[in-house]
Amino acid sequence: DAGVIQSPRHEVTEMGQEVTLRCKPISGHNSLFWYRQTMMRGLELLIYFNNNVPIDDSGMPEDRFSAKMPNASFSTLKIQPSEPRDSAVYFCASRRTASSGNTIYFGEGSWLTVV
Amino acid sequence: DQQVKQNSPSLSVQEGRISILNCDYTNSMFDYFLWYKKYPAEGPTFLISISSIKDKNEDGRFTVFLNKSAKHLSLHIVPSQPGDSAVYFCAASEKTSYDKVIFGPGTSLSVIP
Repeated sequence: DAGVIQSPRHEVTEMGQEVTLRCKPISGHNSLFWYRQTMMRGLELLIYFNNNVPIDDSGMPEDRFSAKMPNASFSTLKIQPSEPRDSAVYFCASRRTASSGNTIYFGEGSWLTVV
Repeated sequence: DQQVKQNSPSLSVQEGRISILNCDYTNSMFDYFLWYKKYPAEGPTFLISISSIKDKNEDGRFTVFLNKSAKHLSLHIVPSQPGDSAVYFCAASEKTSYDKVIFGPGTSLSVIP
């Protein structure tokens, strides 16, 4: 079975540009997560969805960040406008159901550099 | 304010010895805990978990201990192998919101041959 698929793997963009990160969760998984990894803060939960509905976006840093999940097989994380401090690795992850014991499966990450 | 803390950013251990990675949490509503391992340029992968109704869970060389009164858990790796060199993340979730899994900042383990 294919795992969580993220694109692009690497993105270098100039400050002020719009960045869109994409994610395809594992088929049959009902929950989707966006995490950000930085040296300072480790792995931060930005937002998560259950059955395509955003449940908690309290981790989204500011209004420049937005996430959508138009269907069960696709999600986007958008940063507009991007800033150098947004440089990080962004992970998408999915899980089968909202219950304990169900492992979260991570994608390989999207490495974002904003110059 | 971090709810899951891993106060040791890095740890070095000799091959064959025990590795002990520590994790503290502040949210008393957490009742399910997980450890993930991450190699460079890869996503984190699940390693082992423990429910708050237990104080120990073992899987091969990996054992997780939970001390609820101290809000502390630890991961023991015995014996440590060079392939265990990775970043280890402690994570936790609440009974009322299992979806929301909060991760600690990670501890980088180096196992020296």
